[in-house]
Amino acid sequence: AQKITQTQPGMFVQEKEAVTLDCTYDTSDQSYGLFWYKQPSSGEMIFLIYQGSYDEQNATEGRYSLNFQKARKSANLVISASQLGDSAMYFCAMREGRSGSSNTGKLIFGQGTTLQVKP
Amino acid sequence: EAGVVQSPRYKIIEKKQPVAFWCNPISGHNTLYWYLQNLGQGPELLIRYENEEAVDDSQLPKDRFSAERLKGVDSTLKIQPAELGDSAVYLCASSLAFGNEQFFGPGTRLTVL
Repeated sequence: AQKITQTQPGMFVQEKEAVTLDCTYDTSDQSYGLFWYKQPSSGEMIFLIYQGSYDEQNATEGRYSLNFQKARKSANLVISASQLGDSAMYFCAMREGRSGSSNTGKLIFGQGTTLQVKP
Repeated sequence: EAGVVQSPRYKIIEKKQPVAFWCNPISGHNTLYWYLQNLGQGPELLIRYENEEAVDDSQLPKDRFSAERLKGVDSTLKIQPAELGDSAVYLCASSLAFGNEQFFGPGTRLTVL
């Protein structure tokens, strides 16, 4: 069965420092996508970064980077230069299947990690 | 460009009452999703639409939950009758038919008393 595991219920980081949020996944599919979403207290899920299983380079989006280790089935999120506004819940998610397949679309989410940035 | 719109943002009802949530996806997005998010957990898919067709409703409790997307644009999710355990956030998301990103609305927080 497909599964996403986030083992850190809560994390603290000092403002301007980097932080890594862990995510491991389990799937038997060869083609899949990995996502990170941020959910502030307002409730909206904000897309941060995407990594395809066939992408050879780690994805980066501004201060966000995804440390993708396929053999270990891990997809950790690295936030550099943390800001107070980064305080939120962070979810790792996996989508199985390629674009055009009947399985495209369903996201499986982990339990989330609450990040608090200290001034 | 407007994002995914959901209403109401908050709803408090007594158990056994009906309730409905509305979602308007991003213009041009053919795929629409309804997710359930319990407190402290990640969202779980309830139903996925491709245009007006429900292509994945395996997780939708059909005895009390129903959904529709009649014209392939906005959608309504209904619970009748509501139970105490239905208290949660109901999230709507949309994506291009075969896009990589799902864009989420702000959610509807339901409290059943």
